[in-house]
Amino acid sequence: DAKTTQPNSMESNEEEPVHLPCNHSTISGTDYIHWYRQLPSQGPEYVIHGLTSNVNNRMASLAIAEDRKSSTLILHRATLRDAAVYYCILMRNYQLIWGAGTKLIIKP
Amino acid sequence: EPEVTQTPSHQVTQMGQEVILRCVPISNHLYFYWYRQILGQKVEFLVSFYNNEISEKSEIFDDQFSVERPDGSNFTLKIRSTKLEDSAMYFCASSIDRGYNSPLHFGNGTRLTVT
Repeated sequence: DAKTTQPNSMESNEEEPVHLPCNHSTISGTDYIHWYRQLPSQGPEYVIHGLTSNVNNRMASLAIAEDRKSSTLILHRATLRDAAVYYCILMRNYQLIWGAGTKLIIKP
Repeated sequence: EPEVTQTPSHQVTQMGQEVILRCVPISNHLYFYWYRQILGQKVEFLVSFYNNEISEKSEIFDDQFSVERPDGSNFTLKIRSTKLEDSAMYFCASSIDRGYNSPLHFGNGTRLTVT
């Protein structure tokens, strides 16, 4: 079963880094790890994805554990606009299998 | 930046009625999807569509549901006879490729309320 587990919510101060953890202990060898976020009243938005190696893009960094059973999304300098629900998702057989997500609250 | 657009933003219908949810995917994308999110629950995959046919579908996507690409731009989800439990947010998405490295681009959703 492709399941991800995330904290229900996290708080962070504006302009500080944020580390959002995700456990996916049942991940299989071909599952990709995707992160999407959903701002209030909007559709999900792609953030980043990876398979085994750590990944960086303009939005965030993704750190993947060596055994691939967990990963961490890193927002280097959170702003108020980063307040959203962040979903850690496994892509299996080309389908996104969603978890419940972490609601990220940014304090000014 | 190109975006996926969905109409209407909110649809209210009576149980047993047919509804059609409309989506305009990004123009050069080849794969199209419908997902739904019942209030307070996880986002769930419904169906993917490529080359004018369904690629994959979930158990949720039963005979009451159908998808169509009636012209070169629109992608629709039809629910033939709506039930109360069909009330949800329905998201359309598109991607340029089917691969694992091809991010999905989502619309802002249609909130369907069945009364």
